[in-house]
Amino acid sequence: DARVTQTPRHKVTEMGQEVTMRCQPILGHNTVFWYRQTMMQGLELLAYFRNRAPLDDSGMPKDRFSAEMPDATLATLKIQPSEPRDSAVYFCASDPGQARVSGNTIYFGEGSWLTVV
Amino acid sequence: SQELEQSPQSLIVQEGKNLTINCTSSKTLYGLYWYKQKYGEGLIFLMMLQKGGEEKSHEKITAKLDEKKQQSSLHITASQPSHAGIYLCGADDGATNKLIFGTGTLLAVQP
Repeated sequence: DARVTQTPRHKVTEMGQEVTMRCQPILGHNTVFWYRQTMMQGLELLAYFRNRAPLDDSGMPKDRFSAEMPDATLATLKIQPSEPRDSAVYFCASDPGQARVSGNTIYFGEGSWLTVV
Repeated sequence: SQELEQSPQSLIVQEGKNLTINCTSSKTLYGLYWYKQKYGEGLIFLMMLQKGGEEKSHEKITAKLDEKKQQSSLHITASQPSHAGIYLCGADDGATNKLIFGTGTLLAVQP
C-alpha cells in the first residue's frame, strides 16, 4: 500500500533550535508539496517541487525556513532557528504530476507535529 | 489569487441526520477536491470533481459541483459518528497543479 511517509511524527524543541522534517513521497510521484496546518490559518501551502525543482515557495518565511529535495525519494523542510509561532502540523503530500489532470489526486502523509517551547 | 471559503465553520448534528457543507471559490474551479481529516491524522481523499454539474457519491457522501464551477457542496445522508472530523475542500488552480485549501468544516456527530 503506497503512502507518503513523514518523520518525525512528533517533535518538541526549544526555541532557537534547528528542526528538520523529512518526507518520502510515493514512488513515481514527481510533485511534492509542503503544507502547514494551524487552528488560526488552516492548511497553508508553504512550497512545492516538481521533478525535484522548487516551483513555488512563496508561502514560506524565507528568513528561517528552507525546503529541498536532495533526491527523488526525499524532501526536507528545515526551520532554523525555530520559534514558538512555528508550532503547527507540517504535512507533506505527493502526486503523480501529469496524471493528476485525469482526476487523480494528491496523497498526504500523516504529518509532523511540531511544538516549539 | 484564488480563495476558498467553507461554510459552516463547524457543525454539530444528531446521528442519523443529514447535513451539507459548502465550498465557494473566488474563481472558476478547474478541479475541486474533498478531503476528510481526523484529529491527529493526515488528510484522506474523498472525491474530486472537474465538470460543471458533476456529482459523485461514495457510500453516504455525495459531492456536487455547480454549473458555473465556483461552488461545491458535500452532503452526508444519515450521519454516523464515523463521519465526524474536519472536511476540507481543495482547489486546483489549473495552471500549476498547485492545490490550495479552504478553512475547513469541523463536524461532530452526537450518538
